[in-house]
Amino acid sequence: DAGVIQSPRHEVTEMGQEVTLRCKPISGHDYLFWYRQTMMRGLELLIYFNNNVPIDDSGMPEDRFSAKMPNASFSTLKIQPSEPRDSAVYFCASSFGLGTETQYFGPGTRLLVL
Amino acid sequence: SQQGEEDPQALSIQEGENATMNCSYKTSINNLQWYRQNSGRGLVHLILIRSNEREKHSGRLRVTLDTSKKSSSLLITASRAADTASYFCATDEYGNKLVFGAGTILRVKS
Repeated sequence: DAGVIQSPRHEVTEMGQEVTLRCKPISGHDYLFWYRQTMMRGLELLIYFNNNVPIDDSGMPEDRFSAKMPNASFSTLKIQPSEPRDSAVYFCASSFGLGTETQYFGPGTRLLVL
Repeated sequence: SQQGEEDPQALSIQEGENATMNCSYKTSINNLQWYRQNSGRGLVHLILIRSNEREKHSGRLRVTLDTSKKSSSLLITASRAADTASYFCATDEYGNKLVFGAGTILRVKS
């Protein structure tokens, strides 16, 4: 398996623009997680899905953030409109079985909002 | 929010020395995991220890868990320059998700 795939790897955009991050989890994994990592706040869980259904989105910072998982092999995290404080590295991870078992992380998307 | 607390925040050692990192948590857990993150990369799972286990080994890694003290330690023996990375503990304290600590930055000098 190729592991968790994220795209794009780097994104530079201007404030106010829409940003869409994409993730393909490992085949067969039934949990998918979106994290954000910054120097100030560390690694934060934004939202996670179980069998394509959002279970806990309490970490989503604002209504500007939304996430979808239309099928078992694809998820998106959208920021609209983007702000400079959204600049961070966004990771997608997936796991099999319970959400508290081993998680497999993608390489991340480094987002810079100017 | 970050609940696990790693100690120390940063550690610098010579190649060949052992590195010990500690993690404390607040409530009961089913398992505790350690992850490594190389600069600019995603996190990689190292080892998982369950609440009924006290010690676990994997290659040069040794993890201990003391549920009475709500703490865990990660020992890397005979460190190498390639071990330079950030190390995070993660617990399932709050339901069906992991909560990661702030991490320990390890630098191994050759």
